[in-house]
Amino acid sequence: QSVLTQPPSASGAPGQRVTISCSGSSSNIGSDTVNWYQQLPGTAPKLLIYTNDQRPSGVPDRFSGSKSGTSASLAISGLQSEDEADYYCASWDGALNGWLFGGGTKVTVL
Amino acid sequence: QVQLQQSGPGLVKPSQTLSLTCAISGDSVSSNSATWDWIRQSPSRGLEWLGRTYFRSKWYNDYAVSVKGRITINPDTSKNQFSLQLTSVTPEDTAIYFCARTWGGFMNYWGQGTLVTVSS
Repeated sequence: QSVLTQPPSASGAPGQRVTISCSGSSSNIGSDTVNWYQQLPGTAPKLLIYTNDQRPSGVPDRFSGSKSGTSASLAISGLQSEDEADYYCASWDGALNGWLFGGGTKVTVL
Repeated sequence: QVQLQQSGPGLVKPSQTLSLTCAISGDSVSSNSATWDWIRQSPSRGLEWLGRTYFRSKWYNDYAVSVKGRITINPDTSKNQFSLQLTSVTPEDTAIYFCARTWGGFMNYWGQGTLVTVSS
């Protein structure tokens, strides 16, 4: 069971907005930054959002991240078919001295 | 551009040692800014960070509690790579194993992944 909690699934029609939550605790999200990864089937996770709300070069601005307290969110606006993937949050845990990942959220475009 | 190329066997017998290597190009395993991590993924455990090695005037390692005592991550500066060894494996260790570079607080480069099956 992951220490960072994500909903297992989310869905939306093309063009709609989807939001994914990631809930942690004071030893991880509450005291460190959050990163988000996108994983397409059969591939390695790809960095999507880093340091809570920063997008790497090449990531569309349809993707945005935010953090408040011990929770974080990833929003996908203007949903497109190619956004169908699994999404994971991650944060360093100072108490465990290691990285934690969320359980992943499968996004389906209806 | 950093590239990580994984190698190692895809089948390991129970009680034996799992060994994987991650070859680095475009960066140095001795970088003072990066850490070199191993992560695995399975349907039952999701994405699970296993540990890391990094150089900050000397070499350090951190390991996940779940595998501590069974895991060793070693740098190889002569070949610019790092390795994972996991001893006394069981079918629970069956997973896709990834190496990754962490820099600036995020994993921005990943290896291609290696499916390792533990079976006799």
